Amino acid sequence: EDQVTQSPEALRLQEGESSSLNCSYTVSGLRGLFWYRQDPGKGPEFLFTLYSAGEEKEKERLKATLTKKESFLHITAPKPEDSATYLCAVQAGYGGATNKLIFGTGTLLAVQP
Amino acid sequence: SAVISQKPSRDICQRGTSLTIQCQVDSQVTMMFWYRQQPGQSLTLIATANQGSEATYESGFVIDKFPISRPNLTFSTLTVSNMSPEDSSIYLCSVVGLAGVGTDTQYFGPGTRLTVL
Repeated sequence: EDQVTQSPEALRLQEGESSSLNCSYTVSGLRGLFWYRQDPGKGPEFLFTLYSAGEEKEKERLKATLTKKESFLHITAPKPEDSATYLCAVQAGYGGATNKLIFGTGTLLAVQP
Repeated sequence: SAVISQKPSRDICQRGTSLTIQCQVDSQVTMMFWYRQQPGQSLTLIATANQGSEATYESGFVIDKFPISRPNLTFSTLTVSNMSPEDSSIYLCSVVGLAGVGTDTQYFGPGTRLTVL
């Protein structure tokens, strides 16, 4: 069964304290791995898509990496405005057209000034 | 970038009633989806809204409980029927195929927070 597990469930950082969030997955043929940010009371906001092991994407203080079993979201020198829930999702399936996303339960990040 | 809106943004309903949630996109998209996000749980796909035909439901979700319409390429509705407190959740629509972006990436609306008493 396709599955996505995120850790830790919650993370508290001091402003400027770099860290990483983990997303491990088991899927029958990975078509893509997606990272989203979700603020309270809002829908998920797209951050990155990774398609193959070794791929990396960066945006401001965030960098996403992908291996054959997991993805990391590295946060460098975070600021309080980076506080949010970070969601990981995978798109799986061999052949055909499928856009179904399987989500993890997210990591709640709090960055204190 | 495209704007995805949902109505209502939140509602409080009595058990046994039904609520219809609307999702509107300001440009045409190829695919539209409906998700549920229960407290403390991950987003779960309810169904794919197909334009001009019946929606495709995921395991555990049925048309009688969650009827879906998609009359055109920019609009869809999800109805939560005969509600019970267990239906209290955030309901989200997402779209794929916005002009100028990849065909795999899903973009989400702001969500509808439903509370059933």
